[in-house]
Amino acid sequence: QQPVQSPQAVILREGEDAVINCSSSKALYSVHWYRQKHGEAPVFLMILLKGGEQKGHDKISASFNEKKQQSSLYLTASQLSYSGTYFCGTGANDYKLSFGAGTTVTVRA
Amino acid sequence: EAQVTQNPRYLITVTGKKLTVTCSQNMNHEYMSWYRQDPGLGLRQIYYSMNVEVTDKGDVPEGYKVSRKEKRNFPLILESPSPNQTSLYFCASSQSGGANQPQHFGDGTRLSIL
Repeated sequence: QQPVQSPQAVILREGEDAVINCSSSKALYSVHWYRQKHGEAPVFLMILLKGGEQKGHDKISASFNEKKQQSSLYLTASQLSYSGTYFCGTGANDYKLSFGAGTTVTVRA
Repeated sequence: EAQVTQNPRYLITVTGKKLTVTCSQNMNHEYMSWYRQDPGLGLRQIYYSMNVEVTDKGDVPEGYKVSRKEKRNFPLILESPSPNQTSLYFCASSQSGGANQPQHFGDGTRLSIL
């Protein structure tokens, strides 16, 4: 079952902050975050694993609440390059990933 | 250069005509998977493979077949394509289990089934 992302879309001015949320009805082993620019492939941002391990970009921050099966991605001091569609992917075991419908972020000058 | 290569990038075909979309990775990754992307639905996993000769269904496997005879290749086969399989398809790979490693995506294949 796909995780649920919110909001569906957000518009920011440069320098503003935003939070994207991802929630699942299943117990989670991991949460992934990817960004996709129009017409391009999704690009890896971060993985958060059960137990607290994180792998990803230094400039991206995220949290993972294992008990609530929720994750949040924090866009801080947004730049024009942050525009795109953000997807969370959730893993309930080692191999199968389910992605959310995406959150479209538009950053304006 | 480390990459996942899909072919073709674009294909327009007709209902019922068998087609294969190839996917190849040069990173010696064990895990490979196929996704389809449709507006408003995000990425949905079709099939994944944990290693050579080991595959399993994702969330939307109906109408698709896969095989993993070599580590680097993971073709997606549509034996009798139908218009509801018109979509943007992505192949991805990772070092090992797909849920605990970053996924590297190919550039996508846009399929139109008339």
